[in-house]
Amino acid sequence: DTAVSQTPKYLVTQMGNDKSIKCEQNLGHDTMYWYKQDSKKFLKIMFSYNNKELIINETVPNRFSPKSPDKAHLNLHINSLELGDSAVYFCASARATNEKLFFGSGTQLSVL
Amino acid sequence: AQSVAQPEDQVNVAEGNPLTVKCTYSVSGNPYLFWYVQYPNRGLQFLLKYITGDNLVKGSYGFEAEFNKSQTSFHLKKPSALVSDSALYFCAGGGNQFYFGTGTSLTVIP
Repeated sequence: DTAVSQTPKYLVTQMGNDKSIKCEQNLGHDTMYWYKQDSKKFLKIMFSYNNKELIINETVPNRFSPKSPDKAHLNLHINSLELGDSAVYFCASARATNEKLFFGSGTQLSVL
Repeated sequence: AQSVAQPEDQVNVAEGNPLTVKCTYSVSGNPYLFWYVQYPNRGLQFLLKYITGDNLVKGSYGFEAEFNKSQTSFHLKKPSALVSDSALYFCAGGGNQFYFGTGTSLTVIP
């Protein structure tokens, strides 16, 4: 069983559309994250949730809205997609802060 | 602000030679430091972490890292590189959020 799974793996869409990326972890972890990896491979944290509550919300446009229906799931909804949103988005989870992260395999988003 | 830095974008090493991937940190208090590896089209995988204790930390796949407080460094090392070690390596600092270095692409030449 995959520990941290994200769907879809690839997402190609037009500018202005709204899309969602789903993430689930079966590790029983309390903390989940969304990271964005750009074309230069830089990793930037977007959001962090602990037990379904938002802990960190970095300087991310409010077009990005995370939702955590339970502590095993952290979905990312993006409104009005822009060209600059094209990137690979990684979900990750950890037992607690300062513990090692377990990453999903990523969602490659291409906005045309 | 807390941060980690990886001064080298690219490291090339011959197979069988020792490898070092550099990381320096700027963290207040006791640092939580990590190394991760990313293979093409994959998510990051944990290699090792330092919290407190021994300055030499052993991790997965024969990797180790040396914590040096006076030099604020946490370099990743392996005594004998394999071609399969070729990947992107990230140093990271922990806390309420993980902050990653910019990554170092390691190429092991057969």
